[in-house]
Amino acid sequence: DTAVSQTPKYLVTQMGNDKSIKCEQNLGHDTMYWYKQDSKKFLKIMFSYNNKELIINETVPNRFSPKSPDKAHLNLHINSLELGDSAVYFCASSLRAGASNYGYTFGSGTRLTVV
Amino acid sequence: KNEVEQSPQNLTAQEGEFITINCSYSVGISALHWLQQHPGGGIVSLFMLSSGKKKHGRLIATINIQEKHSSLHITASHPRDSAVYICAGSNKLVFGAGTILRVKS
Repeated sequence: DTAVSQTPKYLVTQMGNDKSIKCEQNLGHDTMYWYKQDSKKFLKIMFSYNNKELIINETVPNRFSPKSPDKAHLNLHINSLELGDSAVYFCASSLRAGASNYGYTFGSGTRLTVV
Repeated sequence: KNEVEQSPQNLTAQEGEFITINCSYSVGISALHWLQQHPGGGIVSLFMLSSGKKKHGRLIATINIQEKHSSLHITASHPRDSAVYICAGSNKLVFGAGTILRVKS
């Protein structure tokens, strides 16, 4: 059973389109995250939700809107896609927020290419 | 300056060599994570440390809280260890730039 699953794995779309990436975890974790990995492989946090509530919102364009219908799901919707949005997006979860004492489990990533 | 600095950026080793990757971090980080990203892209959490030392198989991670420094060691390295190793500070994960490790047979 996949612990943190993301769909789709690959997404190719045109500039200006709106797209969503879905993430689900079956670990019973309270906290979920979205990270972006750029072309230089540098990872950066975008959002974090704890029990459906937004707790971290880094300086991300408001074209990006996370949605958490329940604590097992954190979806990422992107409006008006731009070329610079091309990256690999990783979802992750941890047992609790402020996970100093808990590990993280990552999804396999979604490679988004905007053409 | 990034809150988490890693060195070296690139590392090539011969199979069997002992490998060390270093990570320095700034104030405000209470625990450090070591992650491994394989060429296929998946990320695996290796260790989480707030003090002392942890060992898992051929991997050893140490942390010195006073010096704000952590190291990841790989003993008897093998080509399958080739990956990107990333250290990250909690709580929201602030990432280092990663160390690309290549182990040659």
